[in-house]
Formats: sequence, C-alpha cells, structure tokens
Amino acid sequence: GIQVEQSPPDLILQEGANSTLRCNFSDSVNNLQWFHQNPWGQLINLFYIPSGTKQNGRLSATTVATERYSLLYISSSQTTDSGVYFCAVEGMDSSYKLIFGSGTRLLVRP
Amino acid sequence: EPEVTQTPSHQVTQMGQEVILRCVPISNHLYFYWYRQILGQKVEFLVSFYNNEISEKSEIFDDQFSVERPDGSNFTLKIRSTKLEDSAMYFCASSERAMREKLFFGSGTQLSVL
Repeated sequence: GIQVEQSPPDLILQEGANSTLRCNFSDSVNNLQWFHQNPWGQLINLFYIPSGTKQNGRLSATTVATERYSLLYISSSQTTDSGVYFCAVEGMDSSYKLIFGSGTRLLVRP
Repeated sequence: EPEVTQTPSHQVTQMGQEVILRCVPISNHLYFYWYRQILGQKVEFLVSFYNNEISEKSEIFDDQFSVERPDGSNFTLKIRSTKLEDSAMYFCASSERAMREKLFFGSGTQLSVL
C-alpha cells in the first residue's frame, strides 16, 4: 500500500519563527489533507490540497503531486501552534480511506 | 460551525466486555468513518460507511467490530469482546461526499480496556 513519510519527526521553535514541514508519499494520490492534532487530541483539518498551493492566515500548503510531496508552512509561529501535524493521503485505489503519516511533533516555546 | 460529536469522551471497560461508541456526524454529510489512534502512534483507518453499508474496511476491522446507523443521526461502532490491544482513541469522521474532499473529525473517545 501507499507509504507516507513526514519530516522532521520533532521540531522545537521559538515563538515568531517560521517552519516548513514535509510529507512524501510513495504513489499517486487522489487526495491529500493536512491535520493539526492539538494537545487535547482533537484533529483539526487544515487543508485539503491534492495539488497546488493554498493559504489560510499564517499557514500555507503546497502539493507537487507529480513529485509526490507536500509542504506545510507555518509563519510567525505561536504557542497555540504546538501539537502534532499529520499529512494524510488517499491512494488511487480507494475512495474511502485516508492513510496517515507518523506526524511532526511541534513545540513552540514562548 | 457544524461539528462531529462523539460520546462518551472516555470509556473504561473490562477485557471481554462489549462497548458501543457513539457519533453524531455533521447533518448533511453522507459518508461516515471510524479511525483509531493508539497512544503515540499514527491515526489508522478502520471503516467507511455509506448508504447504510460498509464501503471499505481495514484489516483491523475484524469480526469483533461492527458499525451501524440506527437512525437518521447516530453512527455507532461496536466492539463485541474487547481486548487489551483495543485500547486507543477512536475518532469518528464524516464528509459530505466521497473522500475527495475535507474530512471532519470528532474529538474522539478514549477507550481503555483493563
């Protein structure tokens, strides 16, 4: 099945710093989404981005489907950005399930 | 903003007991899912459900698991005879159409099997 790898596994930032999280996937995908799992465990959908670039406030994401990777940019990080960021993809052989990566654990220090 | 609601938030049970986890998907959504996350690990797909039947299920979703939409609003996951390794956070999710769009997750039910 499709493999999803995220890097880095852990990231520590000072408040106000910028960061880039990467997601590589092993095969063509129909769907790619980025999620933020906050310290309370809740999964928040950040982007649905199978290709192209999107921006939402301080966050933006770019997916280059032909090269099988996606990037999540966080600018001017805040302590509330802390948590785990997951990339999840839907392979071409399925319309009903997302395969998650192992996540990037982000800690933003004040 | 509409949200997916899950109850209970925490469930403690003895090994071998049956548990039912409940979810109320977003009202105009037609596709429903269960995922789980063992502590510290990645989120894993369990099952998808559409038009009152299972669309796809993972290897994890064996005969001990079942899903049901008993009425127009609830979506349930039943584990017939719980095992220690079933301890995990269980997330319900829904989407308006098939997967090729945003998936919205509930806040999860933490299941602890003793």
